[in-house]
Amino acid sequence: SAVISQKPSRDICQRGTSLTIQCQVDSQVTMMFWYRQQPGQSLTLIATANQGSEATYESGFVIDKFPISRPNLTFSTLTVSNMSPEDSSIYLCSVPGGWGQESGELFFGEGSRLTVL
Amino acid sequence: GQNIDQPTEMTATEGAIVQINCTYQTSGFNGLFWYQQHAGEAPTFLSYNVLDGLEEKGRFSSFLSRSKGYSYLLLKELQMKDSASYLCAVKDSNYQLIWGAGTKLIIKP
Repeated sequence: SAVISQKPSRDICQRGTSLTIQCQVDSQVTMMFWYRQQPGQSLTLIATANQGSEATYESGFVIDKFPISRPNLTFSTLTVSNMSPEDSSIYLCSVPGGWGQESGELFFGEGSRLTVL
Repeated sequence: GQNIDQPTEMTATEGAIVQINCTYQTSGFNGLFWYQQHAGEAPTFLSYNVLDGLEEKGRFSSFLSRSKGYSYLLLKELQMKDSASYLCAVKDSNYQLIWGAGTKLIIKP
């Protein structure tokens, strides 16, 4: 299993500002995923952070709004830019638990709960 | 489109058994997962089914029927700590995870 640390755990932000969320994993992983979970809703994949290349964004998410860095195999950041109240959500970092595409579970960080006023 | 359906909320009594259903319509299938998520916490892995049948793990069991696009999570001997949301997720033909909205399970004494 992987141990994933995320910070901040929660923050209250002003409209129009940006916040960077950090994700640290205790082992080297090829892929790291960033999810958003809005209140009472399902997990939505924002992007896959790949080391050494640009992140791959899902439909509806763009790099200008959610820039991602992946400087090495154990660390990634997600920035939520020019925030609005609609960005109030829990942001989760996750990594796959095994090798290859046949592997099973994802391991999640504790999540970062953002409230935008 | 791709869709995962599960009940929004269920209530059960401590010590009883509860079954949480999940139906899915996805482009391809490469496994189904159940996760538990306590309020304010991250999801944690419970089970993985890729073949038809029942997988038992202690008090929790998960069943899959690929022909019916159906799974259920069975929780036995319910405890108050089982109060949580239970998320069903399917890995599609591109190995992308499609998530259900989750079932909030409320356990009453």
